Amino acid sequence: GAVVSQHPSWVICKSGTSVKIECRSLDFQATTMFWYRQFPKQSLMLMATSNEGSKATYEQGVEKDKFLINHASLTLSTLTVTSAHPEDSSFYICSARLAGGPADTQYFGPGTRLTVL
Amino acid sequence: QQQVKQSPQSLIVQKGGISIINCAYENTAFDYFPWYQQFPGKGPALLIAIRPDVSEKKEGRFTISFNKSAKQFSLHIMDSQPGDSATYFCAATRYSSASKIIFGSGTRLSIRP
Repeated sequence: GAVVSQHPSWVICKSGTSVKIECRSLDFQATTMFWYRQFPKQSLMLMATSNEGSKATYEQGVEKDKFLINHASLTLSTLTVTSAHPEDSSFYICSARLAGGPADTQYFGPGTRLTVL
Repeated sequence: QQQVKQSPQSLIVQKGGISIINCAYENTAFDYFPWYQQFPGKGPALLIAIRPDVSEKKEGRFTISFNKSAKQFSLHIMDSQPGDSATYFCAATRYSSASKIIFGSGTRLSIRP
């Protein structure tokens, strides 16, 4: 099956610093990538949808200046958490959807655990 | 109208028993209903999915039952095994468009040996 990778798998940073998380579709091209946030024992919350070569669409309540998303190629999207604070600590999951593909061609990455001290 | 309601929140089943998780949706435009399995510290993985043109889909020990008129669907895990212990999310979306997937709140399943 299609593989989506995330890097790093976990990161610890100090409050006030910025952290970049990469999401890659390893064996397929993804025009659309999605970024989710998951708190312990909760469901996935969609943060934003990114389309290759265009600006990301953020969900209501998500600060676009804090969570910068770049989708520069058909296989790579990045999420940068700027000026991170302890409340940004969470599990961040990306998913990638096959270019032009239906819903069952959306594959999820393994997640990145962010801890802000 | 975008919500997907899932129950129960947690479930404990004896090994060999049947695990049943229920979901309900509101938006009749949804036409793709996947179930995801998530282990601790991992991303969700597609387990099984159904389209509304059928009332049941079975893959191995996993079966989805779908009731279009009631706007409900459920996951049945037969002969539940300790390795099935995970969190299960039902979801709904539109199959052919780039619509976002709407997730249920999740069910933490624990299979007792």
